[in-house]
Amino acid sequence: NAGVTQTPKFQVLKTGQSMTLQCAQDMNHNSMYWYRQDPGMGLRLIYYSASEGTTDKGEVPNGYNVSRLNKREFSLRLESAAPSQTSVYFCASSEGFWDRGLQGYTFGSGTRLTVV
Amino acid sequence: GDSVTQMEGPVTLSEEAFLTINCTYTATGYPSLFWYVQYPGEGLQLLLKATKADDKGSNKGFEATYRKETTSFHLEKGSVQVSDSAVYFCALRSTGNQFYFGTGTSLTVIP
Repeated sequence: NAGVTQTPKFQVLKTGQSMTLQCAQDMNHNSMYWYRQDPGMGLRLIYYSASEGTTDKGEVPNGYNVSRLNKREFSLRLESAAPSQTSVYFCASSEGFWDRGLQGYTFGSGTRLTVV
Repeated sequence: GDSVTQMEGPVTLSEEAFLTINCTYTATGYPSLFWYVQYPGEGLQLLLKATKADDKGSNKGFEATYRKETTSFHLEKGSVQVSDSAVYFCALRSTGNQFYFGTGTSLTVIP
């Protein structure tokens, strides 16, 4: 099925470890995003890539890095995980950055990360 | 700044009951408004949207009307089903093209 695929679905890390969350979309969308979802906080934007070759910080970028590997793939890296990064991470894509109001987002199913 | 406030959950209803989930917003200009739904174990899916005042978004029996005078976009459904059990998020796209999501309202429908 067409959509956004995230891996892994679950991960437990020790404080200080690093890891990369992978995201791929097969809808030929130009824009991709990483959100985190925390109880009582809604979704908060970490980083986004409006188009291939560009990345920009969102609302909560500290402690994360991203790579837009190609048009399909957008990865999120935690260089030194902290317990405050325990969250559910969602990757999303949209056809364009400026027309999100028309089509909205397509979301992946999420990665549940626990940092101990 | 722009923001979205939605009612606290969780909400538990019997099948065929009427559903209202309140959402109010703060924004400058004329934002677009959305409801997303997240079924267990899945990502968020766009449920409905409205892009200007007095527009009504509708999908799968759900409706929401963009009320500029009350800055609201309440989600309603006349008769809920067990399959509607999910978390519902209100969201706003500002005139500056930023998205703001509410905290989510969990709905459980019991047979």
